[in-house]
This record gives sequence, structure tokens and C-alpha cells, in this order.
Amino acid sequence: AQKITQTQPGMFVQEKEAVTLDCTYDTSDPSYGLFWYKQPSSGEMIFLIYQGSYDQQNATEGRYSLNFQKARKSANLVISASQLGDSAMYFCAMRSLFEGNTPLVFGKGTRLSVIA
Amino acid sequence: GAVVSQHPSRVICKSGTSVKIECRSLDFQATTMFWYRQFPKQSLMLMATSNEGSKATYEQGVEKDKFLINHASLTLSTLTVASAHPEDSSFYICSAREASGGDSSDTQYFGPGTRLTVL
Repeated sequence: AQKITQTQPGMFVQEKEAVTLDCTYDTSDPSYGLFWYKQPSSGEMIFLIYQGSYDQQNATEGRYSLNFQKARKSANLVISASQLGDSAMYFCAMRSLFEGNTPLVFGKGTRLSVIA
Repeated sequence: GAVVSQHPSRVICKSGTSVKIECRSLDFQATTMFWYRQFPKQSLMLMATSNEGSKATYEQGVEKDKFLINHASLTLSTLTVASAHPEDSSFYICSAREASGGDSSDTQYFGPGTRLTVL
């Protein structure tokens, strides 16, 4: 079974500053994928970034980067140059790539508030 | 990119009413669809995995007789909340994975969600 832990219920960041959202995971699968999603107040789930367990380099997508530390089982999301529009819930998720068609398992989420 | 639609986006009904939520993949074929439920200020909890042409697999604690899932085609899955009660009020989100599957990151898409309020 997989488990995702997000220990920060809420975070505040000043506009234009960088912020790190923590995520640790637990799995016994040899191959897995790690994801971050943003959920604004509208409720839609917006995919941000993906890291495969065998990827050698940390994933980056624009202002988003994933600090993947496999030995520590952590996959923290770093948002650089925060914008007011970044205020939302952020969910870390994972799924096994070892078995087919497995669902995403989500953490409890972190609510990010960007302050002007 | 691929789009997943859900209908209705919002429904308010009386206790005891059955409610059907549709999830459609608009420009791809989805052999697998997932149904999640999200209570206020909580995370998404997987309810069931729906495979086209076969019975859905329900997570522990989810009543299959209450949450009826039908995945009749590669583009449509429906969730019916039978005899809804106020405790069923929640945000229901479907997710569809492309038939090509594989291990890529960008083949699972989420619908916009359906907010159910049972009075």
C-alpha cells in the first residue's frame, strides 16, 4: 500500500518569494510516480508536475520544481516567484507503476496563501 | 490536452432521491476511470475504480449498493448515488486514464467535479 504524508496544513508566502511544500511517501513498489496537483477554490484538479522514481534528474515545469530525495522518500514541491494566483490547495500524490492501472493516492494537502 | 467532463456540476436534492453523475472523456478513450469523493477541507478519497465492460472495484468502506458505477463505454462512466442522504453531500470527482496506459505522468485527467448537496 502507498501512503502520502503532507505535514503542513497551511503555508503563507510573500508574493515573489519561493516556497517549499513538503511531501513524504511510503511504498514497497520498486517503480512509482509522484505527482503534485493544485486545487483552486473552483475545485478542479490541475496537474503541476511529475517525477518518476527512476528519473535521474529532478523534474521542473516553469516555476515548479520537485525536490526528489529517494533515500528520504520525499518529493517536495518548490514554487519560485510566488504569485497571488498560486493561492490554492496543493496535493501530493503517487501511484504504483509496478502494477497496471493503479489509482492515484493523495496526501491531505497543504493550503498555500500568497500575501501581497 | 485531453478533457474530462462531468455533469451535472452541481446538484441539490431531497433526502431519498437518487442522483446520477456522468463522467465523459471527450477526446480520448478511457479504459479505466476512478471516482473520488472529497469532503470539505479534506483530501480526495478513492471510492472505486471503474473498468470498461466489467464490474467496478470498490474501496473498503464504500457501499457498492449505494454508489452504483457503470462504465458502459470507453468514454462514459456514471456514478449513481442511490437514495441519497445528507451525509452523502460531498464533492465527487472523476478521473480518466487513456487507454494507452503505460507509466507516463500525463495520461490521467480529472473532471471538474460535481458538488452534491442533499437536504
